[in-house]
Amino acid sequence: QVQLQESGPGLVKSSETLSLTCTVSGGSFSGYFWSWIRQPPGKGLEWIGYIYYSGSTNYNPSLKSRVTISVDTSKNQFSLKLSSVTAADTAVYYCARVPRYSSSWYIDYWGQGTLVTVSS
Amino acid sequence: SSELTQDPAVSVALGQTVRITCQGDSLRSNYASWYQQKPGQAPVLVMYGKNNRPSGIPDRFSGSSSGNTASLTITGAQAEDEADYYCDSRDSFGTGTKVTVL
Repeated sequence: QVQLQESGPGLVKSSETLSLTCTVSGGSFSGYFWSWIRQPPGKGLEWIGYIYYSGSTNYNPSLKSRVTISVDTSKNQFSLKLSSVTAADTAVYYCARVPRYSSSWYIDYWGQGTLVTVSS
Repeated sequence: SSELTQDPAVSVALGQTVRITCQGDSLRSNYASWYQQKPGQAPVLVMYGKNNRPSGIPDRFSGSSSGNTASLTITGAQAEDEADYYCDSRDSFGTGTKVTVL
């Protein structure tokens, strides 16, 4: 059974960098896009970006200047860094998996999500 | 990423049929995937591709697409189907639809 688990600080100060890691267990790391998605309290879902296991990335244009997603295949982990955070970045952050070789785009596994609050 | 628009809320009587729609230009060339999200939980995939249900998703859920519009239909809605539903098309989520089962 594939499992994804987010980890990282639940509280980040304004203007600092948010850092989260997702640990993947129970499945192959290759052949998938590893993704970060967030959801502000009471609002909808927003793609942050994704990384292929080889290291190629794709970021949401609205966040691109502040986002870095990286992968560590030796640990079956991928990470998110979001710089210069503000209160608007307060959200539940999810890591997720998208099959790379499917004819359709879909997320088949999600982490449970972790709430990150940006404080002033 | 492109914009995907959904109706904010729909309601359906228990056992009746409800259709949730998702509109956007990217849907002319990509199928949508659909996710169900209940309060305090991570989203769950309920439909993807032309009309594919993941294992464990009841067959009362079905999908279709025409032009720039994708649809998720629940035929014979149950109380447990009350949730928020989001469409997605290659890194762009829809605005979400809250489904209430009366």
